[in-house]
Order: sequence, then C-alpha cells, then structure tokens
Amino acid sequence: GENVEQHPSTLSVQEGDSAVIKCTYSDSASNYFPWYKQELGKGPQLIIDIRSNVGEKKDQRIAVTLNKTAKHFSLHITETQPEDSAVYFCAASANTGFQKLVFGTGTRLLVSP
Amino acid sequence: EAEVAQSPRYKITEKSQAVAFWCDPISGHATLYWYRQILGQGPELLVQFQDESVVDDSQLPKDRFSAERLKGVDSTLKIQPAELGDSAMYLCASTRKQDSPLHFGNGTRLTVT
Repeated sequence: GENVEQHPSTLSVQEGDSAVIKCTYSDSASNYFPWYKQELGKGPQLIIDIRSNVGEKKDQRIAVTLNKTAKHFSLHITETQPEDSAVYFCAASANTGFQKLVFGTGTRLLVSP
Repeated sequence: EAEVAQSPRYKITEKSQAVAFWCDPISGHATLYWYRQILGQGPELLVQFQDESVVDDSQLPKDRFSAERLKGVDSTLKIQPAELGDSAMYLCASTRKQDSPLHFGNGTRLTVT
C-alpha cells in the first residue's frame, strides 16, 4: 500500500521568511496530493491540492510542486505570518473511484514575530 | 460555510466500557469517512461510506469497532470494549463527489483510562 514520508517534523522560521515542507510517496498510482493545516483542537483544513497532471499550483502565498518521476511533492509558504503556525500534513491518494488518503506524519511550523 | 458536525468534542471513558461518536456530514455529501488520529501522527482511515453502504472498512478493528450510516446521512462510530490504546482523536470527513476534497470536522478526542 501507499506510504507517505514527510520532513521536517518541526520547522521554525522568522516572520516574513519562506517555509518549505517536503513529502515523498511510494505508490506510483497515486494521482492526488492535498495539503492540510491543523490548528490546535481542530480538524485538518484543506489549504491546497494538486493532481498528477499538473506540476505546480499557486494560491496567493502558498504553492505546491509535484515531481512524479521522483515521487515527491512540496509545500511552499512565502512571507510567513504568525497565524501560519500550525501542523501541516501532506497526503496522497490513488483515486480509483474513491479517495483513500494516506497522510504523512505532519510538520509543526512555528512562525516567530 | 457548512461544516461537518461531530459530537461529543471530548470523551473520557474507562477501559472495557462502550463509547460512541456521532457525525453529521455537510448536507448533500454522499461520501463519509471516519479517521483516527493518534497524538503526533497523521490521520488514518478507519471506514468509508458511500451513502449507507460501507465502501472500505479494511482498517477497522472489527472485533471492537463498528460503524453505521443507516439512512445515508449521519453516522455513528462505536467502540466496545474500549482499550487504553484507543485514546486518540476521531475525525469525520465528507465529500460531495467521490473525487472531491475531504472536509473534516473538529473531531472527538477520546481518552481511555
């Protein structure tokens, strides 16, 4: 089955810096890669996703890149703000009709003012 | 914005007792998922419903866990008997279509003593 690895487990940056979180996956059939942000005491919230027919996707300060050959994808946050502090999860799914998301282990991002 | 509703938010129970969690998905969402999230880890799929039918329960410990979605709307996840290792956050998610992004509720945090 699918295995998703995520690095780093913790990331501390200064406000205004960029943050990059990387994930690798094992199943070449995976074709959907979402990123979720989870704040304390809340459920994961989708912040951006990408499908395997696209190499990069941007939404304001957030971007995701996908390298299908190398089986890795990354989340890029520019101009970080204290409110970006949270745990971020990547996930992968081989969409064979129904989604079956396999999540990474999470990255705790701390943005210091 | 519509949300996935879950209750209770917190539950403390003694081992060997029965416990149940409830989920009401976003209106019109036919696909419903239950995930378990152990502290410090990513969510793991327990069971997936399409309307009232189970699509995937391969990861559900069926000796003690059960899930139902009788009318294809809200759903209940039950554990009987609870064990110490069941302490976790139980998350419900729903999607309108099979390949749509998952929307998560805020979960039920279970502590088994």
